[in-house]
Amino acid sequence: QQQVKQSPQSLIVQKGGISIINCAYENTAFDYFPWYQQFPGKGPALLIAIRPDVSEKKEGRFTISFNKSAKQFSLHIMDSQPGDSATYFCAASRGHLTGGGNKLTFGTGTQLKVEL
Amino acid sequence: GAGVSQTPSNKVTEKGKYVELRCDPISGHTALYWYRQSLGQGPEFLIYFQGTGAADDSGLPNDRFFAVRPEGSVSTLKIQRTERGDSAVYLCASSPTSGGTWGQTQYFGPGTRLLVL
Repeated sequence: QQQVKQSPQSLIVQKGGISIINCAYENTAFDYFPWYQQFPGKGPALLIAIRPDVSEKKEGRFTISFNKSAKQFSLHIMDSQPGDSATYFCAASRGHLTGGGNKLTFGTGTQLKVEL
Repeated sequence: GAGVSQTPSNKVTEKGKYVELRCDPISGHTALYWYRQSLGQGPEFLIYFQGTGAADDSGLPNDRFFAVRPEGSVSTLKIQRTERGDSAVYLCASSPTSGGTWGQTQYFGPGTRLLVL
């Protein structure tokens, strides 16, 4: 059972453009939604995260939009740069107080390529 | 400061052999997680420790997989009678705690690439 669905599988964006990656989740008990960036041969690294009582969070060029009623959230990368070329994973977890222990359920990933 | 380290970085073994994968978490982090990442997929949860005890091992695929964290720091993932389907990248992550009202950042190591021939 895939609890977090991610799209698109791959994405090509021109330098300076906006990259948009979408995720949908099923478990309404999830209370933490992070995005991870992974370069080849490296482990995932946290990019930005949001909790469900907030509809948007912005950090630099990265923005998460969150729609609780639709159970969807998305990552927007503004002014995309070649150095942003990587695989991006959305994830979701439940905190300790709801028995989740913060174990992450990941989406299937999006390979982003930013072209010059 | 040092991040999460994992050894070995690569492991090639033959079907039926036993392997151990080691994780050194960030100093002071009480929560430690193991994930498995198959090619082209997102990481999948295996097990997590809060301190020395396995708080949730629901992701372990079968009884060939076992993990320990005897002193609440270093953890070892053990795989018995390896199968070709076990080939994947095994990732370890640590966080200050698994508790709290919502998520704590998990810091991932570079992973161990296991290939079972």
